[in-house]
Amino acid sequence: NAGVTQTPKFRVLKTGQSMTLLCAQDMNHEYMYWYRQDPGMGLRLIHYSVGEGTTAKGEVPDGYNVSRLKKQNFLLGLESAAPSQTSVYFCASSYSGGLVGDTQYFGPGTRLTVL
Amino acid sequence: DAKTTQPNSMESNEEEPVHLPCNHSTISGTDYIHWYRQLPSQGPEYVIHGLTSNVNNRMASLAIAEDRKSSTLILHRATLRDAAVYYCILRGNSNSGYALNFGKGTSLLVTP
Repeated sequence: NAGVTQTPKFRVLKTGQSMTLLCAQDMNHEYMYWYRQDPGMGLRLIHYSVGEGTTAKGEVPDGYNVSRLKKQNFLLGLESAAPSQTSVYFCASSYSGGLVGDTQYFGPGTRLTVL
Repeated sequence: DAKTTQPNSMESNEEEPVHLPCNHSTISGTDYIHWYRQLPSQGPEYVIHGLTSNVNNRMASLAIAEDRKSSTLILHRATLRDAAVYYCILRGNSNSGYALNFGKGTSLLVTP
């Protein structure tokens, strides 16, 4: 099992450019999440999905869009990148979501710099 | 939402036990206590969780106070690989939503 994988690992963008981050999981999990982590801070939820074809906003959704066309994949898009979106992005998945015993499994992260 | 309080940093010698404290004085009866850790330049990983009783797994032990207002993550023999930021997170009816509220955690330094 590869667990949760993220592509790419690093990316540098210019302001206004667009890109898509790909997250894939091979654990047959229903729930998937995108977080961002800024220096010296904890993770904040951007968007999440409770199943194939569904998405919902998290704590900091502005400037991002997501899609979950296949159960194993969760895509995070930046339509017009801004320097404030410079961050490390983590994808996670879980079998059940929002429940007390739920364990989230995280990917290795994508380090994004917007110039 | 119930909040947790952890020391900003702790230091331990290699091969010695480490006790990482977490205060959660406003915990509700249905909140589980979860611990995650984040090694340098990696994503967070689950460590352990519990409700009322002490819990053990291959990574660590979780000791929960009788009044549940505090808990302690115990690493029995710290290794250099245990140097990480450790997060104490409450999950339950008083903490609705899908996000894990990581806070700032405790940065553990392990010295040889």
